[in-house]
Amino acid sequence: QVQLVQSGAEVKKPGASVKVSCKASEYTFTDYYIHWVRQAPGQGLEWMGWINTNSGVTNSALKFYGRVTMTRDTSDSTAYMELGSLRSDDTALYYCARGLIAISAYGLDVWGQGTTVTVSS
Amino acid sequence: SYELTQPPSVSVSPGQTASISCFGDKLGDKAACWYQQKPGQSPLLVIYYDTQRPSGIPERFSGSNSGNTATLTISGTQAMDEADYYCQAWVGSTVVFGGGTKLTVL
Repeated sequence: QVQLVQSGAEVKKPGASVKVSCKASEYTFTDYYIHWVRQAPGQGLEWMGWINTNSGVTNSALKFYGRVTMTRDTSDSTAYMELGSLRSDDTALYYCARGLIAISAYGLDVWGQGTTVTVSS
Repeated sequence: SYELTQPPSVSVSPGQTASISCFGDKLGDKAACWYQQKPGQSPLLVIYYDTQRPSGIPERFSGSNSGNTATLTISGTQAMDEADYYCQAWVGSTVVFGGGTKLTVL
């Protein structure tokens, strides 16, 4: 079935970087954006950015400009999100989700299982 | 920056109708989506394009969007509907989520 499977939990020290992967299956990878959304403990959903998996163009929330890098490997149907200069308040559950490129109004219809990133000295 | 505002909590009795609002400037000019998130689970899309239900979402879930407010309505609310609900819209080339509403069925 259509799914997004994310990489496993990470523990990082402040100032380090983390790279999370999101592998897609059972659909045409390049027809959909991959969005990255995070959720701090007990908090709401926070959109981080998207990558157009067809063109490779990315866009991120202002808050993450210069700190987040989104890439993809179309040969492996996998998207990646790297967040640098980690701080303790980056501790969160990070989700990838897909959204149809042609019609943004269709929402984010498939989500990964989430990847826990813990930032601690 | 653009904000979507939701009430922090809504309570409803089983079998009654629950309404969750989402306020944003000229939100009716954009397409609103709604997500349900239960504890320990990933979000689930329940409404897209203001009023459309994805396959597998029960008919008791419906949506509307006009003016500055989008509304998620759950008719005949069941205990299994207790969850956090988030509205979402595209603003230009960015995505915005509301702060979330905790729906309690009691």
